[in-house]
Amino acid sequence: KNEVEQSPQNLTAQEGEFITINCSYSVGISALHWLQQHPGGGIVSLFMLSSGKKKHGRLIATINIQEKHSSLHITASHPRDSAVYICAVRNTGNQFYFGTGTSLTVIP
Amino acid sequence: DTAVSQTPKYLVTQMGNDKSIKCEQNLGHDTMYWYKQDSKKFLKIMFSYNNKELIINETVPNRFSPKSPDKAHLNLHINSLELGDSAVYFCASSQSIGGNYGYTFGSGTRLTVV
Repeated sequence: KNEVEQSPQNLTAQEGEFITINCSYSVGISALHWLQQHPGGGIVSLFMLSSGKKKHGRLIATINIQEKHSSLHITASHPRDSAVYICAVRNTGNQFYFGTGTSLTVIP
Repeated sequence: DTAVSQTPKYLVTQMGNDKSIKCEQNLGHDTMYWYKQDSKKFLKIMFSYNNKELIINETVPNRFSPKSPDKAHLNLHINSLELGDSAVYFCASSQSIGGNYGYTFGSGTRLTVV
């Protein structure tokens, strides 16, 4: 079993929809990352969280340390949001664990 | 100026060869990483260096040897390449290993072993 589980694995949405991607983890962490990998392969670091909530433009990331769960929300989704979103956690021993990614397609 | 640059972008080589991938960051970050993304798109960390010192060394064959001549560079040398080494290798950097610092990734090196 993977230490980091993401859901859903694949997601198709209509432009404008509100999107939620979930990440659950089983290890104690010092930080959680949300990464975006574009169809061309490039990876962008979206957020790093250790508590609470962060917002950047139309993207919001939340984390609940007690429940070992994080969500990535995209408001007013757009076709350019189509990408693979990867959740990764770093434990207190600086070991990294990655989710298998959520492939998002936003249809115009 | 590219913040984290990797060379080459593509590398096709025969089994048994030795090859290197170079990574440089101009962000003044202390920590650099190598990640491997396999054919199923699963990311896995391989190594991390902080100020030229190896701090993370995951279970990776010892054919893979990272070298950090200074904190702006982290190169990956691979000996006796095998078919299973075919993957995309990403370099990344962050201000520090700890704390709430984001990562900056290079654009990846697609290695194909034939």
